[in-house]
Amino acid sequence: GENVEQHPSTLSVQEGDSAVIKCTYSDSASNYFPWYKQELGKRPQLIIDIRSNVGEKKDQRIAVTLNKTAKHFSLHITETQPEDSAVYFCAASMGGTSYGKLTFGQGTILTVHP
Amino acid sequence: GAVVSQHPSWVICKSGTSVKIECRSLDFQATTMFWYRQFPKQSLMLMATSNEGSKATYEQGVEKDKFLINHASLTLSTLTVTSAHPEDSSFYICSARSTGGSPLHFGNGTRLTVT
Repeated sequence: GENVEQHPSTLSVQEGDSAVIKCTYSDSASNYFPWYKQELGKRPQLIIDIRSNVGEKKDQRIAVTLNKTAKHFSLHITETQPEDSAVYFCAASMGGTSYGKLTFGQGTILTVHP
Repeated sequence: GAVVSQHPSWVICKSGTSVKIECRSLDFQATTMFWYRQFPKQSLMLMATSNEGSKATYEQGVEKDKFLINHASLTLSTLTVTSAHPEDSSFYICSARSTGGSPLHFGNGTRLTVT
């Protein structure tokens, strides 16, 4: 089955700096890659996603890049703010009847210091 | 936007008892629902996939007789943890989607504590 590796496990940055989180996946059949932000005790919130027919997607301060050949994708957060502090998870899913069956990475605890 | 309601948000039960968790889609037909478990400071792990009107498909290592999943309607799926033990204490969370490549929606999760 699919395996998703996420790095780093913790990331500490100063407010205003950029943060980058990287994930690799194992199954070339995966074609949907969402990123979630999770605050303690709450549900994951989708912050951005990308499908395999696109190499990059941006939404204001957040961007995701995908390299299908290397089977890795990354989350980029620019101009970080203290409220960006949370746990971030990458995930991968196949399409068709398996769409939505997510394999999650291990998570990255992001801390943004004011 | 689409909402998935999950109840209860937290539950404490005694070892050996059973607990039922409900996941409802409020404004769309959830043809498929997914159940995840998240232990403290860990990632979300898929337990099972349920399609309306069909038996659930369980992931390797998840006991189907212990974690009973029912998806009898297009708006409701339930997870019953039978004969709960302290090691079943975890955050259980559902997600749902309708057909095709429609968005996924997560419930708010259920914090289960077995004493």
